[in-house]
Amino acid sequence: QISLKESGPTLIKPTQTLKLTCTFSGFSLSSSGMGVGWIRQPPGKALEWLALIYWDDDTRFSPSLKSRLSISKDTSKNEVVLTMIDVDPGDTATYYCAHRRSTVGVPACFYHWGQGTPVTVSS
Amino acid sequence: QSALTQEASVSGTVGQKVTLSCTGNSNNVGRYEVVWYQQISRASPKTVMFGNSLASGIPGRFSASRSGTTASLTISGLQPEDEADYYCSTWDYSLDGHVVFGGGTKLTVL
Repeated sequence: QISLKESGPTLIKPTQTLKLTCTFSGFSLSSSGMGVGWIRQPPGKALEWLALIYWDDDTRFSPSLKSRLSISKDTSKNEVVLTMIDVDPGDTATYYCAHRRSTVGVPACFYHWGQGTPVTVSS
Repeated sequence: QSALTQEASVSGTVGQKVTLSCTGNSNNVGRYEVVWYQQISRASPKTVMFGNSLASGIPGRFSASRSGTTASLTISGLQPEDEADYYCSTWDYSLDGHVVFGGGTKLTVL
């Protein structure tokens, strides 16, 4: 059974660096086709995809946030870390990590999601 | 502004058939299968359909289709528990490849 859980600060000041950790179980990120993505949702707004890391260390980022994001994985710990630099109040959101299911013809299927972690950016 | 366009709101009565749409372009919906997510009361999104496949635990009244640059999610026999926000998402071939989401449709069961 696949499960994911996000962790990180709930409150962070503008210009600081946000580091969020996704701890997962039920699959291995070293297995071919696997991936973990990050998606966020500002209060009252739509889902916004941020980043994705694959089993082979390939990474993809939102074009609009690429310069501020990095993502890494530790397969021995079953963890994926998202780092966002220079945050501002517009980054206030619930941040989700999700398991990317490898399905032929469906390259962007986030089948299992974590519960989400709220992050507020405020001085 | 979201890359994929969805209706802001759709409503229907119990038992009715409703269809939600998701419009993109040739780099995304026109090229790749779409995933539909259901989010009830801002809880974690749940996968409903991936391509034409029903996700685990999702009732058979849900179905999906895609034609050209528009994808659709149909609920045949609307139930009160279907009231939720629905998001479409897919891969986009441009800009080194990235994931795109729609702005979401608020489905209300009258």
